[in-house]
Order: sequence, then structure tokens, then C-alpha cells
Amino acid sequence: EDKVVQSPLSLVVHEGDTVTLNCSYEVTNFRSLLWYKQEKKAPTFLFMLTSSGIEKKSGRLSSILDKKELFSILNITATQTGDSAVYLCAGGEGAGSYQLTFGKGTKLSVIP
Amino acid sequence: DSGVTQTPKHLITATGQRVTLRCSPRSGDLSVYWYQQSLDQGLQFLIQYYNGEERAKGNILERFSAQQFPDLHSELNLSSLELGDSALYFCASSAQGVLGNTIYFGEGSWLTVV
Repeated sequence: EDKVVQSPLSLVVHEGDTVTLNCSYEVTNFRSLLWYKQEKKAPTFLFMLTSSGIEKKSGRLSSILDKKELFSILNITATQTGDSAVYLCAGGEGAGSYQLTFGKGTKLSVIP
Repeated sequence: DSGVTQTPKHLITATGQRVTLRCSPRSGDLSVYWYQQSLDQGLQFLIQYYNGEERAKGNILERFSAQQFPDLHSELNLSSLELGDSALYFCASSAQGVLGNTIYFGEGSWLTVV
């Protein structure tokens, strides 16, 4: 059975701190690793990673995938209170379908 | 706004009843996905449709069914509802159904079974 495990489950930091969120996966026919941010309802897309070792960056957020060790990290630098959310990692299964297996998420709380 | 529209936003119904959740994908997206999110299980993939045909099935109960219509909108039918079916049901869409196409989520339909 496909599995995605995220750590830590929750994290409390102060504004300005740098955080690293972890995601390990075991996904049959793995094709991609996706990160989403969920604040109130709909998960909003952050990154899709398909190749090992290539960092994707968007502002203060960055992510990288290691397909050999089957994990990914999401880094957030200079955190702000607006970064408070649940961050979801998902393994994408290819081969004609695109079923995502999600981890349970990391709840990040950024306090002033 | 992801461009994926779901209705209703909230729904309260009694055990044993049947409900239909509706989803309009982003313009041009051929694939529609349904996910269930509950507090203890996280986001669980239910089913995927691509251009009207079922493409992949996940942890969908036999009491649940879905379809995608020629205009690409989709419906998720939940019947013989139980208390444990209370959850947030997401619809998502993507351009195709393969690697390289990001999946975008709607705002979800909150189902409460009482």
C-alpha cells in the first residue's frame, strides 16, 4: 500500500525563523512529489517535483526531491504569520492515472 | 481561486440518506478527481475520471459512486449515509491525467451526517 509520511506533525516557530518540513514516500509507479498549503479549506498548490536534486524555489519557499532516498523537504525562510497553515505532501502515481497519496500534513504555527 | 467549483459548500443530512455533490472543473481540464478529508484519515483519494471515463479508483466505498458528464462536470453520489461519512469532500481537476499536470482543488463540500 502506498504511504506518505510527514514530519513533524506540528511545529511552532517565531516570525523570522527558518523551518524544514520533511516528507518520505513509498508510492508504486512514483512519478512526482507535490507540496500543498492548506489554510482554511482548499489545498493550494506550491510545488511539483519530478527530478532528484533540482531545487524548486518560490519566494521564501523552496523544495527538493531525493528519489534515491525517497524523501523531499520543504524549506521556508524568514517565516511570517501568514505562513501558518497545514503543509501537505503527496506522492503522484503515474501510468495513465494521477492518483495522489497524501501525508497527514505538518501543522505550522508562526507566532509574532 | 483555483477555478474548480463545488456545490454545495455545506450539507447536513441524516443517516441513511443520499446526497449528491457537484463539481465543475477548471475550464479545459479533462480530469476530475474526488478526495475525502476527515480528521483522522487525512486526504484520501476516492476516484478519478478522465473525459467521461473512470480512470482510477482509490478508497471509495461501494455506497459511493461518481460520474463525469459530457460537459466534464462531475457528481459524487453518497448513499446510505453513516455518521462516519461526515467529512470534507474535495473535487480537483487537471489538464490531463498524467505527469506534468498539476492538480487544482476546489473549496470542498462539508458534509455532516447526523
